[in-house]
Amino acid sequence: DIVMTQTPLSLSVTPGQPASISCRSSQSLLHSDGKTYLYWYVQKPGQSPQLLIYEVSNPFYGVSDRFSGSGSGTDFTLKISRVEAEDVGLYYCMQTIQMPWTFGQGTQVEIK
Amino acid sequence: QVTLKESGPALVKPSQTLTLTCSFSGFSLSTGMRINWIRQSPGKALEWLARIDWDDDKFYSTSLKTRLAISKDTSKNQVVLRMTNMGPMDTATYYCARMGHWLYYFDYWGQGTVVTVSA
Repeated sequence: DIVMTQTPLSLSVTPGQPASISCRSSQSLLHSDGKTYLYWYVQKPGQSPQLLIYEVSNPFYGVSDRFSGSGSGTDFTLKISRVEAEDVGLYYCMQTIQMPWTFGQGTQVEIK
Repeated sequence: QVTLKESGPALVKPSQTLTLTCSFSGFSLSTGMRINWIRQSPGKALEWLARIDWDDDKFYSTSLKTRLAISKDTSKNQVVLRMTNMGPMDTATYYCARMGHWLYYFDYWGQGTVVTVSA
């Protein structure tokens, strides 16, 4: 199975400041079709997870432009340009290049 | 409007079999569509469990594949997950989630159903 490793596991951020989460996969997520099958989800308190970013860097519908994704191969980053109170939650990276699909351990983002 | 809803027992006894149903509306399990089950145990990360495709292809978590069975009833717009030999470590919130036409991400999720395993 592909192992997804996130760092840090928790993050305390002052409102208005940036935040960054790293995700590393044990194998390349670049497919021969040219796509990289790396996704970012957030689970806000009391809610189901929701998609933030697909294929490394594409924001899903309605996602704030404060969120951006980058990376390639096995190393990926989710950035929040200016953290707001509504961004509190658990952030997960996930790969769907190879079955079984796997998530990272999750990064808890809280507000200082 | 796309919706998914999980249903099943809130409490199961150790060694019993869990049966969960994902009832969906606003779409059909047509070509290119997939339904997945994901769970989250208390204080732990999301864990992908199983997937069923429009053409009845099925895939399972490596660690749980001997205990899982996924099936679909297209006429009822339902997907069923069965997990045998339940234990306390299976206490979790169970979600079903859709992957849209030929997509490889979960675009819609159910609200989740909480299952506790206890005697």
